[in-house]
Amino acid sequence: DAGITQSPRHKVTETGTPVTLRCHQTENHRYMYWYRQDPGHGLRLIHYSYGVKDTDKGEVSDGYSVSRSKTEDFLLTLESATSSQTSVYFCAISARPRGQGVEAFFGQGTRLTVV
Amino acid sequence: TQLLEQSPQFLSIQEGENLTVYCNSSSVFSSLQWYRQEPGEGPVLLVTVVTGGEVKKLKRLTFQFGDARKDSSLHITAAQPGDTGLYLCAGSDNYGQNFVFGPGTRLSVLP
Repeated sequence: DAGITQSPRHKVTETGTPVTLRCHQTENHRYMYWYRQDPGHGLRLIHYSYGVKDTDKGEVSDGYSVSRSKTEDFLLTLESATSSQTSVYFCAISARPRGQGVEAFFGQGTRLTVV
Repeated sequence: TQLLEQSPQFLSIQEGENLTVYCNSSSVFSSLQWYRQEPGEGPVLLVTVVTGGEVKKLKRLTFQFGDARKDSSLHITAAQPGDTGLYLCAGSDNYGQNFVFGPGTRLSVLP
């Protein structure tokens, strides 16, 4: 199994508070992704990183920010949590074998509830 | 924006039956991946297909990439309860910056 650890695994927070989720990898992969998964929407990309300090927005980035100061760590911050951000969050990593596609390995997810 | 559609959305079958699920797009992908996700877990990569017309087999699972690299299918022979889960397809370009998932097919195999 790919070495990906998400923390925390579960969190309940109040509306308006900041929340940070952490993704740690031991694979030294260049690409890291944050997704959210909701019923009826599948996996939607929030932000991704293509190197240390190199990040870009995905399709549902509003209300989220990310940081990557080291290859192994990718942080997702909800600046002011809202109930619409209640979801299961997945981190994924990938190498990029050129011409062979992007094969992503996922963490076990963080279930976040905003009350 | 590249989009992937999957069908059927839900499928419930008896143990021992065969089934096929589909992943379709109007866009061309350089490669396509299939994942399986069990409740409470992250998706797990099953296979990557790269070449148009490519067929890959993984035990009772057969994956095919369409000739035009716009669609793919997953066929399961003699389904077992352990095959139950959410099957996701994902497509990517060569640079990893456009990597999209389909909404998934939720499969339930009844004993």
